[in-house]
Amino acid sequence: DTGVSQDPRHKITKRGQNVTFRCDPISEHNRLYWYRQTLGQGPEFLTYFQNEAQLEKSRLLSDRFSAERPKGSFSTLEIQRTEQGDSAMYLCASSLPRSGRTTDTQYFGPGTRLTVL
Amino acid sequence: AQSVSQHNHHVILSEAASLELGCNYSYGGTVNLFWYVQYPGQHLQLLLKYFSGDPLVKGIKGFEAEFIKSKFSFNLRKPSVQWSDTAEYFCASSSYNTDKLIFGTGTRLQVFP
Repeated sequence: DTGVSQDPRHKITKRGQNVTFRCDPISEHNRLYWYRQTLGQGPEFLTYFQNEAQLEKSRLLSDRFSAERPKGSFSTLEIQRTEQGDSAMYLCASSLPRSGRTTDTQYFGPGTRLTVL
Repeated sequence: AQSVSQHNHHVILSEAASLELGCNYSYGGTVNLFWYVQYPGQHLQLLLKYFSGDPLVKGIKGFEAEFIKSKFSFNLRKPSVQWSDTAEYFCASSSYNTDKLIFGTGTRLQVFP
């Protein structure tokens, strides 16, 4: 399978613990995005990278959230001191904008479902 | 700020009925528009997209959407739905100067045989 992969698929943690999720984009896609989706809502943008550079970060992303893409390939999203309100599906997507385009189709992974007890 | 509205939260149809799902966006500049689908237990998949050109866009599985700039709308249509179209449908937009997608709240479609 050459799609976007995410690990783990499910994570249950206790309030106050730190969690880290990993996303592997489609090979050679230079853009990588993180979204969060709660029940009954559409995905909500968190942040995105072009290669290693973090180009945009949502104001919704508190200081407890940090994302990295150190070598321009896979990315990690860490949540420190988790809270019950962090329970959600965390989605990763990747894209490769064609020449002359500022945007293109984003391909989504299966998501990591986080439950904070 | 950019936003996307989907007014139909839950739609129930019989097989062979026609479908139209509403999507309105709020952004006065150049927009890119998308419809994604999420089948039960699966991840988000692109149905179709509009960047420029012909405002009538055809996607996979017989879906199409029409971009009407004067109405800020991008409604999704299918002339005859099948049971396998049961899924959640999301409309999304991005603007010229940012790559982030803004999603609507989604429409849950149930098709009964």
